[in-house]
Amino acid sequence: QKEVEQDPGPLSVPEGAIVSLNCTYSNSAFQYFMWYRQYSRKGPELLMYTYSSGNKEDGRFTAQVDKSSKYISLFIRDSQPSDSATYLCAMILVSGGYQKVTFGTGTKLQVIP
Amino acid sequence: DGGITQSPKYLFRKEGQNVTLSCEQNLNHDAMYWYRQDPGQGLRLIYYSQIVNDFQKGDIAEGYSVSREKKESFPLTVTSAQKNPTAFYLCASTPPGQGVPGELFFGEGSRLTVL
Repeated sequence: QKEVEQDPGPLSVPEGAIVSLNCTYSNSAFQYFMWYRQYSRKGPELLMYTYSSGNKEDGRFTAQVDKSSKYISLFIRDSQPSDSATYLCAMILVSGGYQKVTFGTGTKLQVIP
Repeated sequence: DGGITQSPKYLFRKEGQNVTLSCEQNLNHDAMYWYRQDPGQGLRLIYYSQIVNDFQKGDIAEGYSVSREKKESFPLTVTSAQKNPTAFYLCASTPPGQGVPGELFFGEGSRLTVL
């Protein structure tokens, strides 16, 4: 079993839709939870991060973590064509000064105008 | 502008040849990383280096080698021993101190194709 599971998609939605992207994980020691966005043929960039259960909002984006269920989500409101990208969840374990980052496989999102 | 520069962007190699991918950063970051990205497999860590002249194997180091002679530079050599080298390679770094834990700054990647 992989430590982090993510539906690869692709996910295709009309412009303005609410998008829900999800990851589950098996290692309860993960301390931080992140979402990276990766445009085609580019490197990923950090979109949002959180370290506690609950919701965190940033504009049209909401990151949700449920540690008891080992489940994280990213919601995108009023989706735009510019949101078309691959979204990678990442789980972080900090131990002895080293940060181990475990990525999901990524979900490819297409927002259709 | 500060950032991570990877070169070349695209590279073709014949089987049996070694190839070196360049990664240079001017962010003054201490730690640098090499990841490999394949469809359906996400990012997998090849090697990482937390300080100059020191580096550690990641999860899939076999068939790869690195060096860290300068803080700014962390080149990756894909050797002929790597059985399936065709992939998208990403170099990353993290800032020192109390930045966001786990925040990686990525280059734009190098796509290697073995013919």
